[in-house]
Amino acid sequence: KQEVTQIPAALSVPEGENLVLNCSFTDSAIYNLQWFRQDPGKGLTSLLLIQSSQREQTSGRLNASLDKSSGRSTLYIAASQPGDSATYLCAVPPIGTSYGKLTFGQGTILTVHP
Amino acid sequence: EAGVTQSPTHLIKTRGQQATLRCSPISGHTSVYWYQQALGLGLQFLLWYDEGEERNRGNFPPRFSGRQFPNYSSELNVNALELEDSALYLCASSLASSGRDEQFFGPGTRLTVL
Repeated sequence: KQEVTQIPAALSVPEGENLVLNCSFTDSAIYNLQWFRQDPGKGLTSLLLIQSSQREQTSGRLNASLDKSSGRSTLYIAASQPGDSATYLCAVPPIGTSYGKLTFGQGTILTVHP
Repeated sequence: EAGVTQSPTHLIKTRGQQATLRCSPISGHTSVYWYQQALGLGLQFLLWYDEGEERNRGNFPPRFSGRQFPNYSSELNVNALELEDSALYLCASSLASSGRDEQFFGPGTRLTVL
């Protein structure tokens, strides 16, 4: 059974810092990994989907990397801003397929203070 | 392009009543997923519909049911409501045949059971 873990559970940083959020998964036979952002009481916003054949995916100030062999993904946020404050979640589909129910980590609560 | 929409935004019911939640996927998407996000429990997979058929079901009792209509919109029904059903219910859509299966989420329905 796939398990997804995110570290740290919470992170508080001053504005302008570069930061890294970590996601680990127990079974490396994944087809892709998706990073989301969730604002309090709201739905999820898809940030990046990184395929198993990719090592990195970039969108603006966000960069996600994937290392299947070590069972890890990282989300790098450059020059953080107060508007980046949210919960960040990573998720993977079932083992051996690119679609189906997602298994989520518990999330990292990020606070960026001015 | 319109995103995933859900209705209602908020729903207040009493124990024993029935609740119906609705979801409209992104145009062209054939898969609809339902997730429950209860306080402190993270995101839990409920149901997956694709092309009108139920493809997978999470570990929830039978009083949670749903369906997908010919236009790919979906309904989640919760019968005999219990207090612990209070949660944010999120719907996501994707195009499973694309090979990427990036899931896009709606804003959610907040169900409160009194």
